[in-house]
Amino acid sequence: DSGVTQTPKHLITATGQRVTLRCSPRSGDLSVYWYQQSLDQGLQFLIQYYNGEERAKGNILERFSAQQFPDLHSELNLSSLELGDSALYFCASSLQDSYEQYFGPGTRLTVT
Amino acid sequence: QKEVEQDPGPLSVPEGAIVSLNCTYSNSAFQYFMWYRQYSRKGPELLMYTYSSGNKEDGRFTAQVDKSSKYISLFIRDSQPSDSATYLCAMSDITGGFKTIFGAGTRLFVKA
Repeated sequence: DSGVTQTPKHLITATGQRVTLRCSPRSGDLSVYWYQQSLDQGLQFLIQYYNGEERAKGNILERFSAQQFPDLHSELNLSSLELGDSALYFCASSLQDSYEQYFGPGTRLTVT
Repeated sequence: QKEVEQDPGPLSVPEGAIVSLNCTYSNSAFQYFMWYRQYSRKGPELLMYTYSSGNKEDGRFTAQVDKSSKYISLFIRDSQPSDSATYLCAMSDITGGFKTIFGAGTRLFVKA
């Protein structure tokens, strides 16, 4: 158990809908990272937040947004969902900017 | 061309074999080089990291980075069935946050 929690574990929704994925980092970690893992694209970095501020951005679609709250938990919002958004979404956390990231168990999103 | 190239395998070896996993990359700005292990339906876990060039050893695992060739390797000695997993190389450019790029992952099967 990495200490990072993600909810929900599974999510099934329809195209065009909007969903919110939640992540609670390890106690004391200030950085939260979001990743998308799909069969064709592999594990892709989406975005990093550090102590409430956006820190680094990857190939995150405009339909996707994230934020980190004062209690350091983070949410990833996915809107206007498409079939291609079906994937595993991982959250990771670290103390600061770090290679030493601890991954959560992931949320499996299925868009039908 | 992808920034990080990794043969997805699968790679099947007998128990006790030496396993060699490799990645090549194109971005010379990468400074941190990591190897993650991912078991089926789990989040990735950090196995080893190397800063810049050189070798690093941890038990049965050795990581090597050759920045001049843009080539990294992970060696597993005395491989065990419990090593069966997907191994992902990862690299980070820390200019402005910690943006990590992952390879596609190599599926490894160690047969008893």
